[in-house]
This record gives sequence, structure tokens and C-alpha cells, in this order.
Amino acid sequence: GEDVEQSLFLSVREGDSSVINCTYTDSSSTYLYWYKQEPGAGLQLLTYIFSNMDMKQDQRLTVLLNKKDKHLSLRIADTQTGDSAIYFCAPGGNKLTFGTGTQLKVEL
Amino acid sequence: NAGVMQNPRHLVRRRGQEARLRCSPMKGHSHVYWYRQLPEEGLKFMVYLQKENIIDESGMPKERFSAEFPKEGPSILRIQQVVRGDSAAYFCASSLGHPVGNEQFFGPGTRLTVL
Repeated sequence: GEDVEQSLFLSVREGDSSVINCTYTDSSSTYLYWYKQEPGAGLQLLTYIFSNMDMKQDQRLTVLLNKKDKHLSLRIADTQTGDSAIYFCAPGGNKLTFGTGTQLKVEL
Repeated sequence: NAGVMQNPRHLVRRRGQEARLRCSPMKGHSHVYWYRQLPEEGLKFMVYLQKENIIDESGMPKERFSAEFPKEGPSILRIQQVVRGDSAAYFCASSLGHPVGNEQFFGPGTRLTVL
């Protein structure tokens, strides 16, 4: 089955850029999603990229996809304290596979 | 447009009891997915349903767990004879379905505690 790996923690200063990385194993994934989960809450869909794209920009968010290396990244520009949360990448079609997520901590 | 709704938000059961978790998809969505999140872990896929059909149940435990999505009403995830290991957050998601819209929108989850 699909495996998804992410770093567990990332700490950045407010105003800096954050880059959250993800590697996956199943190259047949049609869509690759990024979700945000705040403590005690459900998952909020942030953005996604089709597997035939290399990059997608959505306001402060930039998604980069390297299909050859099966590597996905999410860049958050001008990171704010409200961005503190756990971020999950989730490749898949109908069945999404989640890693353990990256906990982003934004420091003042 | 209301999002995905789940109830109850918190559920406490004693070992051996039954747990029923409900999910109402977003308006217009006919595809429902259930995921389970154990403490400190990511979400694990359980089952994918369309109205009156189970499409993929490859993530469902073989015993005690069942899911349905009837023609009318919410989707139900049912866990019989709960055990402590069933304690987790259970999330439901819905989508329009491929190829119109494959994005899955998640509900707030039901946190099940088994005593």
C-alpha cells in the first residue's frame, strides 16, 4: 500500500517562510492534497495539485510536485501564528493516505 | 452551505457496548468516506460509500465494524462490542465524486472513548 512520510516537527519565526515536505510511494495518485488540522478539530482542505502539474500557487501557499522523486512540498509565505497546526499531505484518488503529519510551530 | 456534520462530537462507551457514529455529507455530495485517527497518528482510511453502496471497505476491520449510507438520512458507522482499542477520533469526509470534484471535505470528527 501507499506510504507517506513527513517530518514530525517544524519551527519557524513569524514572517518567515515555512516549507513542509512529504514523500510518498504510490505514483498512481491522481491528486495530492494538503490538509491542516488544528488541535481538537477536523481537517481543513488547504490546497491540492493534480499529478500532471509541477507547481500550484494559491495566495500564500505554493505546492511543488516532483513526480520522479515522489516528493511534494508546501510552502507557506509570511507564516503567521494562526498557521500553527499539524499539516498532512494526502496522496490519493478516492482513498486518501495520510502520514503522521508535520506539526508547525510559529514563534514570535 | 453547511459543511460535513458529524454527531455526536464526543461519545463515551463501556467495553461491550455499541457505538453509532453519524455523518451528514455536504449538500449535493453523494460520496462519503470514513477515517480513523488514533492518538498521535495520521488518519487511516476505513471505508468509502455512495448512496446504498459500499465502494471500498478495504480499511475496515473484519469484525464488529460496519458502515452504511442509506438512500435517505446520514451515513452511519457502527461499532459493536467496543473495546478500549477502538478509542479514537473518527472522521467523515464527503465529496462530489470523480470526475466532477474529488476533493474530500472533512467533518469535525467524533471522539470515541471506551472505558
